Amino acid sequence: EAQVTQNPRYLITVTGKKLTVTCSQNMNHEYMSWYRQDPGLGLRQIYYSMNVEVTDKGDVPEGYKVSRKEKRNFPLILESPSPNQTSLYFCASSFSQGLGEKLFFGSGTQLSVL
Amino acid sequence: AQKITQTQPGMFVQEKEAVTLDCTYDTSDPSYGLFWYKQPSSGEMIFLIYQGSYDQQNATEGRYSLNFQKARKSANLVISASQLGDSAMYFCAMKRSGSARQLTFGSGTQLTVLP
Repeated sequence: EAQVTQNPRYLITVTGKKLTVTCSQNMNHEYMSWYRQDPGLGLRQIYYSMNVEVTDKGDVPEGYKVSRKEKRNFPLILESPSPNQTSLYFCASSFSQGLGEKLFFGSGTQLSVL
Repeated sequence: AQKITQTQPGMFVQEKEAVTLDCTYDTSDPSYGLFWYKQPSSGEMIFLIYQGSYDQQNATEGRYSLNFQKARKSANLVISASQLGDSAMYFCAMKRSGSARQLTFGSGTQLTVLP
């Protein structure tokens, strides 16, 4: 089944404790990205990747890191999480950057930073 | 910079009636795409419908149609014959041609279908 897999689904952590949210897609998609969803703000892009070893900042990259060592994986790293990073996170992928290419989303990761 | 505006934080509709969810956008690019996604309470993001800026006809997908008014820069989602399962958050999103940044989303509209 074609899918984007995110783990974990829920995560509670404390300020400053490094964490990684994994994302993997099995559709051989070139493009992958991370979004965070906050009430009243919709989804905002954190980072995106156009291919292996090619990443770039989205609209809200501060406090986050990403890597794209393999085509299928695009982990999101929070080196020193803070409470303002409490949010619902989505990984997404698409085959290309074509105009009509829809995004396929993971099921989301609800992160709480205490 | 491109921007998507959804002015209705919440909407109610009676089951079996039609409902229109508003979306306006702001871009100076001539080529762009507009998307609608549905997010039920379970949290996943479900693609509903797509409209390209050069498409001559309004997009339709089953009970979903997109009322695209290019001059007014609006891309309203119309859901016909609402069902209880349509209760969800709905997001409008836009993509610019040639942009690797993928989608810019609006703030969403929470639709509740009443029995």
